[in-house]
Amino acid sequence: DTAVSQTPKYLVTQMGNDKSIKCEQNLGHDTMYWYKQDSKKFLKIMFSYNNKELIINETVPNRFSPKSPDKAHLNLHINSLELGDSAVYFCASSQTGSGYTFGSGTRLTVV
Amino acid sequence: GEDVEQSLFLSVREGDSSVINCTYTDSSSTYLYWYKQEPGAGLQLLTYIFSNMDMKQDQRLTVLLNKKDKHLSLRIADTQTGDSAIYFCAESPTSGTYKYIFGTGTRLKVLA
Repeated sequence: DTAVSQTPKYLVTQMGNDKSIKCEQNLGHDTMYWYKQDSKKFLKIMFSYNNKELIINETVPNRFSPKSPDKAHLNLHINSLELGDSAVYFCASSQTGSGYTFGSGTRLTVV
Repeated sequence: GEDVEQSLFLSVREGDSSVINCTYTDSSSTYLYWYKQEPGAGLQLLTYIFSNMDMKQDQRLTVLLNKKDKHLSLRIADTQTGDSAIYFCAESPTSGTYKYIFGTGTRLKVLA
């Protein structure tokens, strides 16, 4: 059973479209995250939720909106997609001091 | 600033030891981590060290921590081709924000 699962794995879409990425964890962790990895492999945090409450919201365009219906799920919705949004998006979860467990990533390509 | 620095590339021969270095910024970081990312995959936690330790050994992996210089290293003994990947260090600041700061990543290539 996959601990942190993201769907879809690949997403190719046109500029201006709206898309969502879903994430689920079955580890019972309280905290979930979205990270963006650019083409140079640089990882930057976007959002973090703890028990469904937003605790980290980095400087991310308003077009990105996270939603956490319960502590096992954290989805990412992106409006009006732009070329610069192309990247790999990673979901992760953690419990205090345990280190992150990452999903396998969603490669988003905007054309 | 929040920059965690790593050298970008490292190439070693199979069977040799690899040493990957990391310089972090927050001296109050409680935990420091090493992650491995294989092509097309997510990051996998390899090992971590608590800030009151200066060394941790886990099979082929040895982590050294120099708090004075804010320097962390990962030594992989008897490096194998399966160790080829990108290695990230990460610090966990004690500010309670749960935010880890990841290094820039070191791409390790193991030559047969």
